[in-house]
Amino acid sequence: SQTIHQWPATLVQPVGSPLSLECTVEGTSNPNLYWYRQAAGRGLQLLFYSVGIGQISSEVPQNLSASRPQDRQFILSSKKLLLSDSGFYLCAWTGTGGTQYFGPGTRLLVL
Amino acid sequence: GEDVEQSLFLSVREGDSSVINCTYTDSSSTYLYWYKQEPGAGLQLLTYIFSNMDMKQDQRLTVLLNKKDKHLSLRIADTQTGDSAIYFCAENTGGFKTIFGAGTRLFVKA
Repeated sequence: SQTIHQWPATLVQPVGSPLSLECTVEGTSNPNLYWYRQAAGRGLQLLFYSVGIGQISSEVPQNLSASRPQDRQFILSSKKLLLSDSGFYLCAWTGTGGTQYFGPGTRLLVL
Repeated sequence: GEDVEQSLFLSVREGDSSVINCTYTDSSSTYLYWYKQEPGAGLQLLTYIFSNMDMKQDQRLTVLLNKKDKHLSLRIADTQTGDSAIYFCAENTGGFKTIFGAGTRLFVKA
């Protein structure tokens, strides 16, 4: 069966520091991968999606970037965090059917 | 464009039925979904319905789809305190992206 992992689970970072969040999927090949951000009490904002290694589509302009160095690995990064980057970051994958399955999320607090 | 709308809050008493409503704009939607998010957790897929179906039932959950009005609902029978969560409606038109509503926060009063 397929599983999706995210780490870290929680992160507290100072403004201006770098960021690296990791997402990995097991039990499937060539998944579509997604990064979402959820602000407190709000819905989901799609940040990036990837249909294959090295292929990244950005949905919103911001100081975040994404990379997919391996088939089942998706990384969200920033060189300098802003206060507004605080939120709950969710990774998701889809198979051939298009249904999205979510990871447990990473809670990021930028101080 | 694509848009999915839901009411933000719903409060019910334990044992009553909950009905969460959703409207969507894209008539070419092929799949419509309901996800549940508990505090501090990711989204859990509850159920989905194909656009050529009117209804789907799964234990305490009933999904109704009105394609003419682009209206989707989720009914939870015999609502329990453990059902307290945020419920997201979502649509997929067969492409890479799934469009999510803002979520309905369900409060269950004991």
